[in-house]
Amino acid sequence: AQKITQTQPGMFVQEKEAVTLDCTYDTSDQSYGLFWYKQPSSGEMIFLIYQGSYDEQNATEGRYSLNFQKARKSANLVISASQLGDSAMYFCAMREVYGNKLVFGAGTILRVKS
Amino acid sequence: GAGVSQSPSNKVTEKGKDVELRCDPISGHTALYWYRQSLGQGLEFLIYFQGNSAPDKSGLPSDRFSAERTGGSVSTLTIQRTQQEDSAVYLCASSSRSDRAQFKNIQYFGAGTRLSVL
Repeated sequence: AQKITQTQPGMFVQEKEAVTLDCTYDTSDQSYGLFWYKQPSSGEMIFLIYQGSYDEQNATEGRYSLNFQKARKSANLVISASQLGDSAMYFCAMREVYGNKLVFGAGTILRVKS
Repeated sequence: GAGVSQSPSNKVTEKGKDVELRCDPISGHTALYWYRQSLGQGLEFLIYFQGNSAPDKSGLPSDRFSAERTGGSVSTLTIQRTQQEDSAVYLCASSSRSDRAQFKNIQYFGAGTRLSVL
């Protein structure tokens, strides 16, 4: 069964600095998709970025980029130029080829300091 | 357009009562998912609907939980004889398609229903 591990329960970052949120995964499948979601205090899960297992380049979406290391089974989220509004819970998730569901990690709480 | 809408946003009930949670997916989305978010268990998949196909109920924790999706749109998650361990945030998501070869069918989530069982 697939498993997502986020080892950082909480992180602090200074406004305007970059931060990396760690995510490792475990799967026996060769084909899968990796997702990052942001959950602010309002509760809604907001999609940030996607990386496919066969994508040759790391995904980027504005200030978000994904440091994808397939051999290490890691998919770390990098947020550049942190803003106060980035303070939220961040979840890494995976979908396997035969799965309809997303499997989520435990999440990392990010606090951006002014 | 409008996002995924869930109602009520908060629900307080007494142990043993039945509750119904509603989800309105994004218009045109054929796939609908229910997840549960609790402190002890994190985010867990409950059930998945795709068009007129039989739902994937593999995540439902007990037979007290059921869900239906009428007309391929609105879905209702029903919890019978609620227990205190059912207290959680119930999240609904929808996506435009769910082809097994399409990993990147992004699931868009609602704000959830916070259920408190006293």
